[in-house]
Amino acid sequence: GESVGLHLPTLSVQEGDNSIINCAYSNSASDYFIWYKQESGKGPQFIIDIRSNMDKRQGQRVTVLLNKTVKHLSLQIAATQPGDSAVYFCAAGVQGGKLIFGQGTELSVKP
Amino acid sequence: KAGVTQTPRYLIKTRGQQVTLSCSPISGHRSVSWYQQTPGQGLQFLFEYFSETQRNKGNFPGRFSGRQFSNSRSEMNVSTLELGDSALYLCASSFVSDSGNTIYFGEGSWLTVV
Repeated sequence: GESVGLHLPTLSVQEGDNSIINCAYSNSASDYFIWYKQESGKGPQFIIDIRSNMDKRQGQRVTVLLNKTVKHLSLQIAATQPGDSAVYFCAAGVQGGKLIFGQGTELSVKP
Repeated sequence: KAGVTQTPRYLIKTRGQQVTLSCSPISGHRSVSWYQQTPGQGLQFLFEYFSETQRNKGNFPGRFSGRQFSNSRSEMNVSTLELGDSALYLCASSFVSDSGNTIYFGEGSWLTVV
């Protein structure tokens, strides 16, 4: 079946360090992937997406890497700030607008 | 450009009642999907509508239903509410282009069933 899994439920980093959040997916038919940030009491906020025909995409302070061979993607956040503290979800897109979500990694940034 | 708007933000219902939640997508977005978020199950796909037609459906009982109007606004309905239906219900809208299928979420409707 379809599933998306995150490697670590929690991640704690020092302010200014780089953060890496990893995710694995099972469905080879997934043709796009999205990372979301969710703060307490709010809806998921779009961070960055990547299509299956790409292996890297960069945004502002964020980079997503996709390895289709091992069905793995990662989100890298450069110079992590306290405002980056939140739960991060990866999601695999299948069949148009349907997303399969992972369980989320809670990122804590220590000042 | 306004984001995805969901109403109401918070509501409390009694077991056995029904509830209707509303979603206004981002202007120009024709696809609207709904998700249920709970601490135990995480984010789970309910259904997706595109041009007033249900295009995808998740593994939820028939008590969960939805519809989309000609202006792309969507509603979801849950009938005969159960305690386990207490959750954050999220609406997402998307615009499909050659560069991707970017999906944006609203702030959600918090439903508590007592």
